[in-house]
Amino acid sequence: EVQLVESGGGLVQPGRSLRLSCAASGFTFDDYAMHWVRQVPGKGLEWVSGISWNSGSIGYADSVKGRFTISRDNAKNSLYLQMNSLRAEDTALYYCAKVQNWANDAFDIWGQGTMVTVSS
Amino acid sequence: EIVLTQSPGTLSLSPGERATLSCRASQSFSSSYLAWYQQKPGQAPRLLIYGASSRATGIPDRFSGSGSGTDFTLTISRLEPEDFAVYYCQQYGSSPWTFGQGTKVEIK
Repeated sequence: EVQLVESGGGLVQPGRSLRLSCAASGFTFDDYAMHWVRQVPGKGLEWVSGISWNSGSIGYADSVKGRFTISRDNAKNSLYLQMNSLRAEDTALYYCAKVQNWANDAFDIWGQGTMVTVSS
Repeated sequence: EIVLTQSPGTLSLSPGERATLSCRASQSFSSSYLAWYQQKPGQAPRLLIYGASSRATGIPDRFSGSGSGTDFTLTISRLEPEDFAVYYCQQYGSSPWTFGQGTKVEIK
């Protein structure tokens, strides 16, 4: 079964850091670009960051650029999001998502998300 | 950045009726890079349509997508009870990837 499982969320104070992980299974992880998408509860979806299969191409939303770093370890079938200098507005459910086929493609598999709450 | 605007915000319909959802982009882009997702409460989004008009694996044929340039449409031909949800469009042709704000399809 193709599956993505996020972890690492929690309650963190403003200005602190958190590292999210996404464990992939059921598919050849290093064949696909991966992305992080977040959603404030009750609100819409916001793309956060994406990384190509070989980490050669990386992109970020302006809202997180310079604070968040996406990475992957293909040997461990894992995707990461290092989040530094966290702000209250980063509070959201964070999903990892797999592209369908190509680098520029729709997201066909999503995890269930991990909740990040930034509050003092 | 390509801004996607969805309308209406909420669509109140009865089972069996036809739903037409709109997604308008701030600038033209290739329809190859337009997707639609469905999200139900407490669940992750599910891919319905990619490339503006291609159904994803396992998606019933009552869901169809169309459009080009800046105007795209998701049509649900006959609403089933399980179709009441929030629908998002997304462009994935140029970074930053962007989503519309969503259209909620609710039971009338």
